[in-house]
Amino acid sequence: KQEVTQIPAALSVPEGENLVLNCSFTDSAIYNLQWFRQDPGKGLTSLLLIQSSQREQTSGRLNASLDKSSGRSTLYIAASQPGDSATYLCAPLSGNTGKLIFGQGTTLQVKP
Amino acid sequence: EAQVTQNPRYLITVTGKKLTVTCSQNMNHEYMSWYRQDPGLGLRQIYYSMNVEVTDKGDVPEGYKVSRKEKRNFPLILESPSPNQTSLYFCASSLYGGSTDTQYFGPGTRLTVL
Repeated sequence: KQEVTQIPAALSVPEGENLVLNCSFTDSAIYNLQWFRQDPGKGLTSLLLIQSSQREQTSGRLNASLDKSSGRSTLYIAASQPGDSATYLCAPLSGNTGKLIFGQGTTLQVKP
Repeated sequence: EAQVTQNPRYLITVTGKKLTVTCSQNMNHEYMSWYRQDPGLGLRQIYYSMNVEVTDKGDVPEGYKVSRKEKRNFPLILESPSPNQTSLYFCASSLYGGSTDTQYFGPGTRLTVL
């Protein structure tokens, strides 16, 4: 059974810092991994999708890497801004039913 | 605008009163699914649908029903809601639910069952 862990659970940093959010999963047989952002009381916004054959994906200040064999993914946020404050969720796609398995998330606060 | 919509966004109801949460997507996606989000438990899949007329259970299907009569709509039905179904519900869709497909989520429906 796939289990997903995200560390740290919460993070508070001053504006401008570069950040690394960690995601680990127990079953390396994944099809892809998606990173999402969730603002309080809001839905999930997809940030990046990394296919199992890829090592990383980039979108603006965000870079996500995937090491399937070790069961790890990282989300790198460059030059953090207060608008980046949110909960970040990682979710590998396991099996052929389209089901995402979510971690508990990392809640990020970026202080001005 | 490409999006997944859900209605209602907020709902307070009483035990046993049947309700339906609607979900609609305008991206011509084959795959749709429902999740619930609870503190400490994260997001868990309730039901999914690979295409029209094909639905199957996810991890926590008890107390829920779904139907997929049209490609764009995937309503979640609670025939007899109970307090343990108080939760934040999300509908999601993707092209085929496959390895290259980004999954898009709706804005969520916050349900309280008294």
